Amino acid sequence: DQQVKQNSPSLSVQEGRISILNCDYTNSMFDYFLWYKKYPAEGPTFLISISSIKDKNEDGRFTVFLNKSAKHLSLHIVPSQPGDSAVYFCAASDGSSNTGKLIFGQGTTLQVKP
Amino acid sequence: SAVISQKPSRDICQRGTSLTIQCQVDSQVTMMFWYRQQPGQSLTLIATANQGSEATYESGFVIDKFPISRPNLTFSTLTVSNLSPEDSSIYLCSAKDDSLWNSPLHFGNGTRLTVT
Repeated sequence: DQQVKQNSPSLSVQEGRISILNCDYTNSMFDYFLWYKKYPAEGPTFLISISSIKDKNEDGRFTVFLNKSAKHLSLHIVPSQPGDSAVYFCAASDGSSNTGKLIFGQGTTLQVKP
Repeated sequence: SAVISQKPSRDICQRGTSLTIQCQVDSQVTMMFWYRQQPGQSLTLIATANQGSEATYESGFVIDKFPISRPNLTFSTLTVSNLSPEDSSIYLCSAKDDSLWNSPLHFGNGTRLTVT
């Protein structure tokens, strides 16, 4: 039972363009969502998060959108840079959000071409 | 944010043996967490390492297979016991900043285990 799904295993975009990574979830109890970036041989690095009381959170080139009715969130990277090439994981937690239990998606590999 | 050091970074072990992974955080944290990433899969929480009490295991993970120690507020170990090829995975230690509600988890660089 995959509660968090990233249906696109990979995405390729041109440098300077927008990258949009998508994530769907099934558990309506999830109230906190995060995106992580992972380079090879490194651990996941926190990128940006959003609480369920918001529908948008922005941090520099990164914006996360949350559509609770559709149980969908997306990460927008504008403009995309070659250094953004990595695996991106979507993660969610439920009402016990101050624990460390995150449910992760399978990841999307982003390639930004120069 | 917390800096997490994990070792070894990788190891190749024979089946039937055990591997102990160490995790050091550069600040005191109440809870530390151990995750596993099997090949081609997402990250899955194994257990929460609580200082001063037994670890709390997620469904599907048991103490006999994954014993955990948490001797103080900056250190934890995970042992993967009686290894089989199915245990070949990346094991990740993580922690979060106690002072911030809803602070994100921070991860170490992981231990890549190959069981032959």
